[in-house]
Amino acid sequence: QVQLVQSGAEVKKPGASVKVSCKTSGYTFTRYDIHWVRQATGQGPEWMGWVNSDSGDTGSAQKFQGRVIMTRNAALNTAYMELTSLTSEDTAVYFCAREVYNSGTYRFDPWGQGTQVTVSS
Amino acid sequence: SSELAQDPAVSVALGQTVKITCQGDSLRYSYATWYQQKPGQAPVFVIYGQNNRPSGIPDRFSGFTSGTTASLTITGAQAEDEADYYCQSRDSSGNHLFGAGTKLTVL
Repeated sequence: QVQLVQSGAEVKKPGASVKVSCKTSGYTFTRYDIHWVRQATGQGPEWMGWVNSDSGDTGSAQKFQGRVIMTRNAALNTAYMELTSLTSEDTAVYFCAREVYNSGTYRFDPWGQGTQVTVSS
Repeated sequence: SSELAQDPAVSVALGQTVKITCQGDSLRYSYATWYQQKPGQAPVFVIYGQNNRPSGIPDRFSGFTSGTTASLTITGAQAEDEADYYCQSRDSSGNHLFGAGTKLTVL
């Protein structure tokens, strides 16, 4: 079955960077984009951006432009998200998700299990 | 508008019907996907497209979109349906949007 397995929890100091990995299995990696979504405690999900698993092209929400770096290693079926210049407001659970399109809808299916990133001095 | 608006909370008596709505301009460009999220878990989609359910989702879940409004209806709500529900769509610029979520309480 399709699975996305993320790296473990991280604790970072303000100003640092964090890199989260998302290892996929159960499908052809290069056929689907991987998206990154974060969710702060008690808040709704917030879309961050995507990486084309085949070409490596990326796009991100304006809020994160210049601060988020999304990459992939097709040989390892793995996508990565690096967020720089961390502040306490970046404390959240970060999810990767596979984007699927059909029936006129873009959806995220499945999601990784989530990676808790805590930014604290 | 680049947002999706949802009511923060809705309650329903066990076995009754509840509708959760989502409004936003992006729904002109793509249908909404509805996700169910329980505490400590990743979201799971329950409805996509006009009214499509993935395998394993009970048929008491249904969806409908008209114009800039999407709705998720649970007909005969069960205790296990108590969760947060989020709508999501993609706008004309390719950005994905999520609603702030509706907390469903089953009484």
